[in-house]
Amino acid sequence: SYELTQPPSVSVSPGQTARITCSGDALPKQYAFWYQQKPGQAPVLVIYKDTERPSGIPERFSGSSSGTTVALTISGVQAEDEADYYCQSADTSGTYVVFGGGTKLTVL
Amino acid sequence: QVQLVQSGTDVKKPGSSVKVSCKASGGTFNSYSISWVRQAPGQGLEWMGRIIVMFGKANYAQKFQGRVTITADESTSTVYMELSSLRSEDTAVYYCARVDPDMGFSWGQGTLVTVSS
Repeated sequence: SYELTQPPSVSVSPGQTARITCSGDALPKQYAFWYQQKPGQAPVLVIYKDTERPSGIPERFSGSSSGTTVALTISGVQAEDEADYYCQSADTSGTYVVFGGGTKLTVL
Repeated sequence: QVQLVQSGTDVKKPGSSVKVSCKASGGTFNSYSISWVRQAPGQGLEWMGRIIVMFGKANYAQKFQGRVTITADESTSTVYMELSSLRSEDTAVYYCARVDPDMGFSWGQGTLVTVSS
């Protein structure tokens, strides 16, 4: 079955830039979405359609795409950004949804 | 603004079934695609399946084929997810989410299902 691969963890100091990658063979054909999840809460969309930012999401969150890899970049990381981040996409046919394994962002 | 409100916490015995509801308000219910996603304690998000309400057609992740059924009741704007043959590994928070092809998932609040003898 189709899989999306993320690093299990990323650590950065406050004010630095965090980059979280997500790789999958169908990413050139299917949009990627990124969700932030804090403990005990439902996920929240932070990036849609690879690079778009929903209203209300800080400008420091951005998305990019290159071939079979998409990335979430958080510039000027703040303590409140510490959370789990998940990429989400679909298989080539668009029939089956898939989530990456999640990346725990730690703000040192 | 679509809101999804799920049923409450449930405790089930191994081998039994659970049915979780997800009531939608706002928007046009029969235009929705609703997915179910679960998250076991300390684990990641796992997509289980979805239903396109307008067509009443559901498709399921291979892992759950034969054990999960997703249905929709347009009269009450409610989607249901039933999982059978429960085992301890099915202990998880179950989320429903409205899926927009451009905007991704909009989530319900989640329902904790505990499977324990």
